[in-house]
Amino acid sequence: QKEVEQNSGPLSVPEGAIASLNCTYSDRGSQSFFWYRQYSGKSPELIMFIYSNGDKEDGRFTAQLNKASQYVSLLIRDSQPSDSATYLCALKRDSSYKLIFGSGTRLLVRP
Amino acid sequence: ETGVTQTPRHLVMGMTNKKSLKCEQHLGHNAMYWYKQSAKKPLELMFVYSLEERVENNSVPSRFSPECPNSSHLFLHLHTLQPEDSALYLCASSPHPLAGANTGELFFGEGSRLTVL
Repeated sequence: QKEVEQNSGPLSVPEGAIASLNCTYSDRGSQSFFWYRQYSGKSPELIMFIYSNGDKEDGRFTAQLNKASQYVSLLIRDSQPSDSATYLCALKRDSSYKLIFGSGTRLLVRP
Repeated sequence: ETGVTQTPRHLVMGMTNKKSLKCEQHLGHNAMYWYKQSAKKPLELMFVYSLEERVENNSVPSRFSPECPNSSHLFLHLHTLQPEDSALYLCASSPHPLAGANTGELFFGEGSRLTVL
């Protein structure tokens, strides 16, 4: 079983819609969760992090965490073509140097 | 220059060659990392350095040899590589090592695309 599972996509949504990106993980000891965005040919950049169960909102982005279900998601409201990228879910234990990444979900926002 | 810069951006080498990848960070960070990114696979952590001391070696073959002469520079020395080592090699830095609560932001360079023939 992969440590971090993401659907590779592509997830295609029309401009203005809500894009929902999902991630499941196997290590119940994971304590911190991160969403990175990677444009084609570019390096990943951090867009959101979440540590506590529930929702965390930042502009058009909302991260959701459910530790009991080992599930973390990213919602993008009012999706724009510029949001088209690969979104990487990552997690870590507090005591670890290692940030464990999923393979990423490719998002396409159609104009 | 700002951020994290990597050179070369593209490298083609034969299996018997020796080459090096270079990374420089201009952010004043204390930790640096090498990650490998292969197509359709997750980012794989290779090495972690904290204040020039290697703190993690993630079971990487000895044909990859890291070097961190100071907190701003990181090298990855390559020798007798295999075609399956072809990938994007990403350098990253963070203000402090990621061992700690609520830390997870890595600042990545643009990567070095390696092709082994």
